[in-house]
Amino acid sequence: DMQVTQSPSTLSASVGDRVAITCRGSQSFSGWLAWYQHKPGRAPNLLIYKASTLASGVPSRFSGSRSGTDFTLTISSLQPDDFGTYYCQQYETFGQGTKVEIK
Amino acid sequence: EVHLVESGGGLVQPGGSLRLSCAASGFNFRSFAMNWVRQAPGKGPEWISAISAGGDNTYYADSVKGRFTISRDNSRNTLYLQMTNLRVDDAAIYSCAKPLDPYYYGSGFDPWGQGTLVTVSS
Repeated sequence: DMQVTQSPSTLSASVGDRVAITCRGSQSFSGWLAWYQHKPGRAPNLLIYKASTLASGVPSRFSGSRSGTDFTLTISSLQPDDFGTYYCQQYETFGQGTKVEIK
Repeated sequence: EVHLVESGGGLVQPGGSLRLSCAASGFNFRSFAMNWVRQAPGKGPEWISAISAGGDNTYYADSVKGRFTISRDNSRNTLYLQMTNLRVDDAAIYSCAKPLDPYYYGSGFDPWGQGTLVTVSS
C-alpha cells in the first residue's frame, strides 16, 4: 500500500516567516500530488496540484516543489489567514497533516 | 460555479445501514469520475471510494470494501454511497469530491462538498 509521510505535524511561526511542509511518497511519482488547506467547519481548499501548479485563486505566496519522492509546500510570507491544517495527497493517499499556528 | 451538496447522514447503530447522496451542479457531471472521502474527528482525510464517469468502474479502500457501494445517476446529477454493516470506526464526516482530471479519480480534489455527518453508536 502506498504511504505518504508528512512533516512536521505542527508548526508555529510568525507573520512574515517563510515556512515549509514536506511530504515523502513511498512510490515513484507519475504526476499527481496535491496540497490542501483545511480550516475547521469548512471543506478543504485545493492549493497546489501536479506538485507545483497553483490552483485558481490561490495567493502566489504558496508554492510547491519536488525533489525525487520528496514534495514541499512553501509559504513565502506567512499571513494571519494561513492558519489551519495542511494536507498533501498523492493519488488517493493523504498525508497525516500539518497544523499551522500563527504566533 | 461547481457545487456539491451531501445529505443522508445521521445516527445509526453498529451493524446498521445508511445511504448518502451528493447532488452536483455547475459542471458536466456525467463526464467526470467522482469520489467519496471521509474525515473522522481529529484525523486527516481518508479516500474511501470512487466511480468512473459512466459508472462502469468502481474503486474502494480496503477499510470499506465489501460493506460500502458507490453508484451514480447521471440523469439526476447525483452520486450515492450505500453503507452497510456500519462500525463505530466508520463515524466521520463524509464528503463527495470532484477530481481535477475527469478520467482519473485520484488527480486532486476540487471542490469538496461540506459533508454530512455519520455517527455510529448504540
